[in-house]
Amino acid sequence: AQTVTQSQPEMSVQEAETVTLSCTYDTSENNYYLFWYKQPPSRQMILVIRQEAYKQQNATENRFSVNFQKAAKSFSLKISDSQLGDTAMYFCAFTRSGGSNYKLTFGKGTLLTVNP
Amino acid sequence: GAVVSQHPSRVICKSGTSVKIECRSLDFQATTMFWYRQFPKKSLMLMATSNEGSKATYEQGVEKDKFLINHASLTLSTLTVTSAHPEDSSFYICSARSLTGTGKQETQYFGPGTRLLVL
Repeated sequence: AQTVTQSQPEMSVQEAETVTLSCTYDTSENNYYLFWYKQPPSRQMILVIRQEAYKQQNATENRFSVNFQKAAKSFSLKISDSQLGDTAMYFCAFTRSGGSNYKLTFGKGTLLTVNP
Repeated sequence: GAVVSQHPSRVICKSGTSVKIECRSLDFQATTMFWYRQFPKKSLMLMATSNEGSKATYEQGVEKDKFLINHASLTLSTLTVTSAHPEDSSFYICSARSLTGTGKQETQYFGPGTRLLVL
């Protein structure tokens, strides 16, 4: 069974600064996808970034980038130039590639607060 | 792209009544949809996997007769909470797995959620 661990229950950062959220996972699979989802106070889950395990290049989406270390099973999220609207709960998630089980395994989340 | 709607966004009902929640993928087809329950400040708990044209697969501990799931088309899944009780009050979220269209492959896109309050 897969597990996803987010070791930082809460973090805070000043506006315009950079913050990194950590995520580690455990799996015996070789092909899989990793995700970061954001859940602001509205509680709408929003896809932030997606990484395919077979790709060595780290995914980036504007101010969001990941550091994917497959051997270490680490998948951290870096938010640059933090904005007040980045305040949210961030969930790291894992899913297998292929097969018939498409479930997402979530971490417990990290509550990020961006301070003015 | 890859938009999922959920209706209603909020519902209050009396104990013993049934409530139906709809989940629609608006710009892509979803053979697989998922239903989650989320408690305050907690992660999402998967309740069941909904497959178009077949029976849903429920997670351990989820009562299938209480939480009825129907996936009648490639864009619509419904969750019916039957004989609701106060302990069923929660935030219910659906997601749809994108295969084609505007979403990225193997990615789940989420609806905005439904707040259910059972009095």
